[in-house]
Amino acid sequence: SQQGEEDPQALSIQEGENATMNCSYKTSINNLQWYRQNSGRGLVHLILIRSNEREKHSGRLRVTLDTSKKSSSLLITASRAADTASYFCATDGYAGGTSYGKLTFGQGTILTVHP
Amino acid sequence: ETGVTQTPRHLVMGMTNKKSLKCEQHLGHNAMYWYKQSAKKPLELMFVYNFKEQTENNSVPSRFSPECPNSSHLFLHLHTLQPEDSALYLCASSQELGQRGTEAFFGQGTRLTVV
Repeated sequence: SQQGEEDPQALSIQEGENATMNCSYKTSINNLQWYRQNSGRGLVHLILIRSNEREKHSGRLRVTLDTSKKSSSLLITASRAADTASYFCATDGYAGGTSYGKLTFGQGTILTVHP
Repeated sequence: ETGVTQTPRHLVMGMTNKKSLKCEQHLGHNAMYWYKQSAKKPLELMFVYNFKEQTENNSVPSRFSPECPNSSHLFLHLHTLQPEDSALYLCASSQELGQRGTEAFFGQGTRLTVV
């Protein structure tokens, strides 16, 4: 069953603006990860946040995690045209230990940044 | 370049053909995965291998047959596929299952079209 669900499904902004994407999930997690996919290509890992963390930064990326609400957000600041891609959240489940690393993905947010 | 290489990048096959997808990783990882990405659907986990042993078959039809001869190589053998099997097939690797917080590294994918 689908675990992560991203919101919005599509986001269109101008260069320089910030982009915020949200992800909700249903079950307990060990960690939550965000990935980026350029059209028709493989996914690239962006950032991982553990269940005991609330916020994490990496360059222009800021990720928050609220385990009480089972939600996460990805903020891209000062967006660039090159940030145009699909963004996916993925949850790494917690089921006796052996589930670590088996990621469950949402449907993704398509981000378009206009120059 | 993520260290995970998939071949071929594109494949067109008839419903009666037999073909194989290949994945190779140069990252020293011990877990490897096959994912299917269809239009308008989340990435679907198909198979998981940990130290060459299959640990998950996510109810995948038998016309898809995985093979993992060693921790660096993963194959997906295809036979008598259906047009609805057309999709982007992604291979990924991670350090190993049971390790907390491991990111996945993806190949560029094989775009499969069944005619």
